[in-house]
Amino acid sequence: EPEVTQTPSHQVTQMGQEVILRCVPISNHLYFYWYRQILGQKVEFLVSFYNNEISEKSEIFDDQFSVERPDGSNFTLKIRSTKLEDSAMYFCATTGGSFQPQHFGDGTRLSIL
Amino acid sequence: SQQGEEDPQALSIQEGENATMNCSYKTSINNLQWYRQNSGRGLVHLILIRSNEREKHSGRLRVTLDTSKKSSSLLITASRAADTASYFCAGHGTGGFKTIFGAGTRLFVKA
Repeated sequence: EPEVTQTPSHQVTQMGQEVILRCVPISNHLYFYWYRQILGQKVEFLVSFYNNEISEKSEIFDDQFSVERPDGSNFTLKIRSTKLEDSAMYFCATTGGSFQPQHFGDGTRLSIL
Repeated sequence: SQQGEEDPQALSIQEGENATMNCSYKTSINNLQWYRQNSGRGLVHLILIRSNEREKHSGRLRVTLDTSKKSSSLLITASRAADTASYFCAGHGTGGFKTIFGAGTRLFVKA
């Protein structure tokens, strides 16, 4: 069965540095999402992306964050000037239709020191 | 807030028993989905129920949806130790893009 692939699985970064998290969607999927899950807490919606633009974003997704699909395959989340509170699991999810089930990757564990 | 809330927060049962988890949400949805998460892993989609449906079955799973009460329930029958995981409901808004997850129920099934 096709899978959503995320890299790296674990990223350790100094506070203030920039990080880029990568996701390879399922090939025929058109809708892409990023979520965040702080340890032991619920999954929080960050942003949705469709037709090469952001379709919706949450209050968490401020100017520190950006997303893009630079080469038509990878879908990336960039966090500029990371803060300690950015430490969390970041999940990418993709779907073939806006009202269809989402397929999640296994996440990137981001640790900010 | 569109946040969903689940109860109970944690549930411990014996293998073979049924497990019921409830979810409430605050705004209009197109559909409601249930996901499962094993520790340290991504979420796995279990079942989707549309706003015009009242009940749906998939194997040992039964989901109900009451849009008038903005609530849903997930029943797992004849539970197994392998069902031990966290279960989340997620409401998909009518706008089509935003999905709001509840806080989840941690289910522990004792062998």
